[in-house]
Amino acid sequence: GESVGLHLPTLSVQEGDNSIINCAYSNSASDYFIWYKQESGKGPQFIIDIRSNMDKRQGQRVTVLLNKTVKHLSLQIAATQPGDSAVYFCAERVGNNRKLIWGLGTSLAVNP
Amino acid sequence: EAQVTQNPRYLITVTGKKLTVTCSQNMNHEYMSWYRQDPGLGLRQIYYSMNVEVTDKGDVPEGYKVSRKEKRNFPLILESPSPNQTSLYFCASSSAVTQYFGPGTRLTVL
Repeated sequence: GESVGLHLPTLSVQEGDNSIINCAYSNSASDYFIWYKQESGKGPQFIIDIRSNMDKRQGQRVTVLLNKTVKHLSLQIAATQPGDSAVYFCAERVGNNRKLIWGLGTSLAVNP
Repeated sequence: EAQVTQNPRYLITVTGKKLTVTCSQNMNHEYMSWYRQDPGLGLRQIYYSMNVEVTDKGDVPEGYKVSRKEKRNFPLILESPSPNQTSLYFCASSSAVTQYFGPGTRLTVL
């Protein structure tokens, strides 16, 4: 597969454990945040989003937490599975447009 | 199936030989965008299009051209490729904020 990044922060977890991936965003005016998952050899895939007027949103096995005070976003994955191994990106929107500002990504490795 | 397609998926070329990477989406999205992805630099936007015949520069537009003659297609053109354009390229489309990505094109310029 394709390598999407060298020297990315890496999180290594055991299968079945919960994972927490963190992201510090840059702009206090950002109003919308998205988490993407990129598996080797594929394009980024939407996981979950959250608006700035919320502090928590849950999906299937995933939860996103937003702390606007410290400009911090996290993605929690429950009962991590080998198929969750990927690079995870956070993205933020500033202003009322479609442009996203992307984080550099975190590599998640799930050990069986 | 709703999707963004790109062609080719892999391309090796030589400096100066014009090439086009095609992108097509079947979701009737107004917004389309091209990114390049390089190790340690993340995703960087090259060009985007808000609608047919409306295109604008992203963060790294030098050496690239785009066109948007039809809603579904957004080709990326490299008139005179150089080795520093060796990269992994992604096309994306959206109807709102969330962008949906194609599978990527790995370009190598020798």
